Amino acid sequence: EVQLLESGGGLVQPGGSLRLSCAASGFTFSSYAMNWVRQSPGKGLEWVSSIIGGSSTTYYADAVQGRFTISRDSSKNTLYLQMNSLRADDTAVYYCATPFSGNYHEGIDYWGQGTLVTVSS
Amino acid sequence: DIVMTQSPESLAVSLGERATINCKSSQSVFSSPNNKSYLAWYQQKPGHPPKLLIHWASDRESGVPDRFSGIGSGTDFTLTISSLQAEDVAVYYCQQYYGTPLTFGGGTKVEVK
Repeated sequence: EVQLLESGGGLVQPGGSLRLSCAASGFTFSSYAMNWVRQSPGKGLEWVSSIIGGSSTTYYADAVQGRFTISRDSSKNTLYLQMNSLRADDTAVYYCATPFSGNYHEGIDYWGQGTLVTVSS
Repeated sequence: DIVMTQSPESLAVSLGERATINCKSSQSVFSSPNNKSYLAWYQQKPGHPPKLLIHWASDRESGVPDRFSGIGSGTDFTLTISSLQAEDVAVYYCQQYYGTPLTFGGGTKVEVK
């Protein structure tokens, strides 16, 4: 059974940093594309970043490029999102998610429950 | 970026009646080599992550009731709930996975009339 469990969310001041983690199990983590998708309170879904399976290729939304870094530790089956220079509009529930096939260009079957990041002074 | 535009923003339908949601992409998400449209539909209920209902525009995920169907190709897509049930009350999103960035529609809220 595929499981994705996010952690690391919380309250942070504008300009601060936070690192999200996503512990994965039930599939070959190292070879799967992994995504971070966020949802601001009461708003829609917004893709944030992806890391391609079996490679170091990464993609970022323009809104986070240069501030966020996605990475993975395959020895720990864990996905990370390092978030720096946080702004109020980064406030959202952050979901870790992956397609059933593990391919980047696929619908996203598996989602974690999300972790809430609140950026406020 | 491929912009996904959903309509309507909200929809109230009587139980047992049909609900239809439209999604339009700003450019084609159809791939000729594999003859597939890179389009997914999700259902999201409050307090829960999205659930994938349909991918490749019309392929229903395992376990999804057959009252949910998707159709379309290129730039125009439709999700239909043939007979609305109370448990279908949710927000529905389309998403393209043809290009980067991955992009979602703004969502359609489906309620019972």
